[in-house]
Amino acid sequence: NAGVMQNPRHLVRRRGQEARLRCSPMKGHSHVYWYRQLPEEGLKFMVYLQKENIIDESGMPKERFSAEFPKEGPSILRIQQVVRGDSAAYFCASSQGVYNSPLHFGNGTRLTVT
Amino acid sequence: AQKVTQAQTEISVVEKEDVTLDCVYETRDTTYYLFWYKQPPSGELVFLIRRNSFDEQNEISGRYSWNFQKSTSSFNFTITASQVVDSAVYFCGRTSGSRLTFGEGTQLTVNP
Repeated sequence: NAGVMQNPRHLVRRRGQEARLRCSPMKGHSHVYWYRQLPEEGLKFMVYLQKENIIDESGMPKERFSAEFPKEGPSILRIQQVVRGDSAAYFCASSQGVYNSPLHFGNGTRLTVT
Repeated sequence: AQKVTQAQTEISVVEKEDVTLDCVYETRDTTYYLFWYKQPPSGELVFLIRRNSFDEQNEISGRYSWNFQKSTSSFNFTITASQVVDSAVYFCGRTSGSRLTFGEGTQLTVNP
């Protein structure tokens, strides 16, 4: 009974490189959410996706960040030209999409930008 | 923005003490859900409870209990007879539609 799977668990990138974070939702879940947790801070909503659609990206930075959830395969959060301020834990969550159903979180990807 | 406020940034107790974590939220919605999640030192997020805005019954699960007061927009979490393994950051959250908004979290440290 696999939960939400995120990989990699840890990711180190140099400034200017690209970071790709992957998330496979729980079986039967078609809704994916990405949250960011900066060091010593709480969880901030970034984006909500359904298969092939971005539903709400109001929490995404306007530049360098993008997300997708293709028909086949995991959801991808992509950060281009990373900067030190992007260092954070990025959590993916999934739900069945039933109104207000619980979000089940993955273990997160810890991105470190050197 | 409709906020979720966890006024206690850090709480430190001695094992076996009871401890209450406060959560106050803002909302303009008539229907919403409230959540608590636990983030132990290992970093994952563990779902604890979901409560519908129409259900104001208090809930107890083992040493955990939750007090939902709609009149004061509060959803407080009490751990009875705390244990060292309860040490974690606890996040309260509120939904608005499909989005879950979290408070800043309360760091609970239970000392032996």
